[in-house]
Parts: sequence; structure tokens; C-alpha cells
Amino acid sequence: DAGVTQSPTHLIKTRGQQVTLRCSPKSGHDTVSWYQQALGQGPQFIFQYYEEEERQRGNFPDRFSGHQFPNYSSELNVNALLLGDSALYLCASSLVRSRANYGYTFGSGTRLTVV
Amino acid sequence: AQSVTQLDSQVPVFEEAPVELRCNYSSSVSVYLFWYVQYPNQGLQLLLKYLSGSTLVKGINGFEAEFNKSQTSFHLRKPSVHISDTAEYFCAVKEVGNNRKLIWGLGTSLAVNP
Repeated sequence: DAGVTQSPTHLIKTRGQQVTLRCSPKSGHDTVSWYQQALGQGPQFIFQYYEEEERQRGNFPDRFSGHQFPNYSSELNVNALLLGDSALYLCASSLVRSRANYGYTFGSGTRLTVV
Repeated sequence: AQSVTQLDSQVPVFEEAPVELRCNYSSSVSVYLFWYVQYPNQGLQLLLKYLSGSTLVKGINGFEAEFNKSQTSFHLRKPSVHISDTAEYFCAVKEVGNNRKLIWGLGTSLAVNP
């Protein structure tokens, strides 16, 4: 049973560029959340997608956008990259109606470096 | 607003010694509580969770945690640590009835020395 898959694992971009990160949720999960984890910090919630819609958003600018596809996979897009966007981006999946699964399943993350 | 405080940013300990990683939270509503572990250059792995029922929760790798509602704490413990337990540990909470975001602590770096 595959867990959460994120791609790519590492990425280097230049300031001002745009980036797309991808996430395939765990089999059977229908909800995807994205987190940003800066070096030495805890994860910060970016947004969550369910039924192909953004359901909740954290304190991130509009440069951060996302999408969820009918197969529940998701993309995170970041425009006009800043040096401060350098971080580990984590995708977490869950099943919205499953009380027993209130803990998310995380992917290994995408390490984004902006130079 | 919810918040999570992990009281120790770093915890050095010798192998086979017991360890406690402390977590306190604040919330105006009931919460679910979680501990995650993050090994170097990896994602987050769920160690254990408290949803309801017994306040003593057992997780993977020999870890356990106790929910104390009066003290709003959820401390993580292990009676005997191994070198392989060296990692970053995160405490997180989620509002009951709100299957949305987790609120995270800043993490505790556990360093197990031989």
C-alpha cells in the first residue's frame, strides 16, 4: 500500500521563478494538506484541499496556490519565488470522514532551494 | 487561538536512559493530540495520537504519552532510548470537529549519545 508520494525530492530555483510541486495521497485518502517547514522550524499550514476545492488556508500570500485533481492528487504552485520560500514542503493526506485517521500521513517532502 | 509549546528545544540523553519530551497546549475547545517524529532529511511519521478514552497512549517504537487535561499537557516518554531514536519530535493538536489543520509545536531535537 503506497504511502504519500511527493515529487520532485529536491529542487533549485532562481528568485522570481515559478515552481510546481506534486503530491499523490495515500491510497484511500481524499484530502491533501500542504505544509511549509523552514529549517529548524515546525511545519506551517499552507492550505488543504478536499473535493477539488481549497477548504482552509493558512497565513500565506496569494503567490501560493494549489489544485486537487479528480484522482485526489494535488499540486502546490508558488509564483515569484523569494529567498525566504526555501524550505521543505510537506504533503499530508487523510480521509475526511475517518475518525480513526485523524492523524495525517506525510510524504517525505520536497526540498526547495531558492537562489 | 490554539497554540502548542514544546518546552525543550534540545534534549541530550545517553543510550538506554529514560526520556521525556514535554508538550503543553492551549485551546478553548477540545482537541486531538499527536506526536510526530522526523528523522534527518525525511518527512514526518506519526508516533501516537490521543483522540479519546484512556489518557495513556502507546505508540510505535516503544514511545508512550499521557494526556493531562487539567494541565493541558501531552508529554512523550520512553523508558529506554536507542541511538536510532535521535530525531526531531513534534507535538501537534487539532480542534475536535475540525478536520482541517494541525497546529504544531516548534519541535524538540532528541540527541541520543552512546
